[in-house]
Amino acid sequence: DAKTTQPPSMDCAEGRAANLPCNHSTISGNEYVYWYRQIHSQGPQYIIHGLKNNETNEMASLIITEDRKSSTLILPHATLRDTAVYYCIVRPLISNFGNEKLTFGTGTRLTIIP
Amino acid sequence: DTAVSQTPKYLVTQMGNDKSIKCEQNLGHDTMYWYKQDSKKFLKIMFSYNNKELIINETVPNRFSPKSPDKAHLNLHINSLELGDSAVYFCASSPAVAATVETQYFGPGTRLLVL
Repeated sequence: DAKTTQPPSMDCAEGRAANLPCNHSTISGNEYVYWYRQIHSQGPQYIIHGLKNNETNEMASLIITEDRKSSTLILPHATLRDTAVYYCIVRPLISNFGNEKLTFGTGTRLTIIP
Repeated sequence: DTAVSQTPKYLVTQMGNDKSIKCEQNLGHDTMYWYKQDSKKFLKIMFSYNNKELIINETVPNRFSPKSPDKAHLNLHINSLELGDSAVYFCASSPAVAATVETQYFGPGTRLLVL
């Protein structure tokens, strides 16, 4: 799996958009960008994924650069409940059943400020 | 109707004891995983099972033995507990359908403290 680089921490004011960057300069053509988050004392939670087009769901938007070497997760209106560690993970589609481990890095600790 | 559940939530035990952690998923998924999150918050895969068959074993000591009685359950038994086993253990499941994007669903974690 391609290595990702994220800032260790970020702050964002409540109600503002939180923009979390991720660098994945060695990403391969068949690898997707996934985002998970881990709220304190909980298990990781899937947020969104994308290949090359921008994606949006009820939780967030994902912007992937044209060269796919970096991406940004956007939480449009951050709330206090969005305070968590956010993980950017790059990996391909499932190929072998059960051989699809997620490799978590150190992530970005996002703190939403009231 | 919790999707992935683990018991117990907290486990405090003495060094040398044997303990088990249970995991159940009601999502109908074929694949289940165990992850370990240490005190520095690094989250690492330990095992994965697909339809009760062991697929991934990430150089975990033999003292750790996963058991999958059916595809909805993946239990983790730990023999001769050591201080370094203290961590949070997360169970996860996924549909693991070939050639699709894979999403894993995590349980709430079991906090193990070995004294």
